[in-house]
Parts: sequence; structure tokens; C-alpha cells
Amino acid sequence: EPEVTQTPSHQVTQMGQEVILRCVPISNHLYFYWYRQILGQKVEFLVSFYNNEISEKSEIFDDQFSVERPDGSNFTLKIRSTKLEDSAMYFCASSVGGDETQYFGPGTRLLVL
Amino acid sequence: QKEVEQDPGPLSVPEGAIVSLNCTYSNSAFQYFMWYRQYSRKGPELLMYTYSSGNKEDGRFTAQVDKSSKYISLFIRDSQPSDSATYLCASLSGSARQLTFGSGTQLTVLP
Repeated sequence: EPEVTQTPSHQVTQMGQEVILRCVPISNHLYFYWYRQILGQKVEFLVSFYNNEISEKSEIFDDQFSVERPDGSNFTLKIRSTKLEDSAMYFCASSVGGDETQYFGPGTRLLVL
Repeated sequence: QKEVEQDPGPLSVPEGAIVSLNCTYSNSAFQYFMWYRQYSRKGPELLMYTYSSGNKEDGRFTAQVDKSSKYISLFIRDSQPSDSATYLCASLSGSARQLTFGSGTQLTVLP
């Protein structure tokens, strides 16, 4: 069964460093998403992406964040200058259509020191 | 008004029990309702997906949506220890594609 994959599974970085989280969505899906979950808190929406552009973003998704689909399979989330409060589990998701079921990857655990 | 509220739990039941998990929501624009299961430090796994009001059954799982009361339920029949996980309800409006999640209910099914 096709699934969303994410790399790395864990990443530790120093405050102020740039990180890139990578995702391979399900191959026939057209909509891609990033969510995050701070330990003990709700899963929160960050951004949705369709047709090579951002379609929606939350207040969390400020200028420090960017997304890109560099090729036909990968979808990346870049955090330019990480802060301590960026420590969280980051989930990539994809769906066939915008109102279709979103399937989540296993997540990348980001720890900012 | 984007909140989805969920009974916090934790909930502990004996094997074979019927489990009832519940959420309420406040945004009348929500039209799609999902239940995800999340094991510790893993990604949410889709269990059930319903559109608008009504019931949907899949094996031991039944999802119920009552839009008049803005109430979402998941019932698990004949619960098994393997059902032990955190269950997340989530909602999606027709126009926005961002899922709004509840805080999750941690369920433990005791053998």
C-alpha cells in the first residue's frame, strides 16, 4: 500500500541553524501539507501546497518557513533560522484532492538546542 | 471559531468492551470529519472518514456525526489490546484544506 515517507526520522540542530525536512508524498496525490505537533499538544496545520504554490498557511508559517517541491517526488519544509520553540514532530501529509482524505507520514522529530 | 474539542481521557477499558470516543466542534463550515489513530511518536493513521451527518461503519469501528449538535463520535466494538493508542478527531471545511484536530484521547485496552 502506498504511503507517505519522511526523512530524517530525527534531527538535532543548534538554534539559528537552517534545517530541511523531506517528504515523499503518495505518487498520484496532488495536494501536500505540513503539520507539526509540539510534545503534548494538538497537531497543528502549517501549510498546504498545490500546483507548485502555497494554497493556505497558518499564522505559525511565518517568513522563517518555506516549502518547495524541487522535483516530481519530493516535498520539503525549510526552517531558515531555527528557534527553541520549533522543537516538535513535523508531519507531512498528502491527498488526491483538496477535500479528500489526508494521509500522514511517520514524522520527523526536530530538536533545537 | 476553528476549535475541535475532545474528551481528554485517558480512558482505560477491559478487552471486549465497547469504547465511545467523542468530540465537539464549533465551526459550522466543517463538512468532513475524520478519526485518526496515533501510536506513540508515530504519524496519525486514518481510521474513518465521513462527510456531513450520519453513520459510517467499518468492521469494529463506527463513526457518527450529528451536525445539529456539532458532535462527532467513534465507537469501537469488541475492543482489543492492539486498539490501545491515542485517537484524534479532525474536521475539514469544504473551502479550507487544513485539518483542525482535537487534542486526542489516549485509550488503553487491558487484556
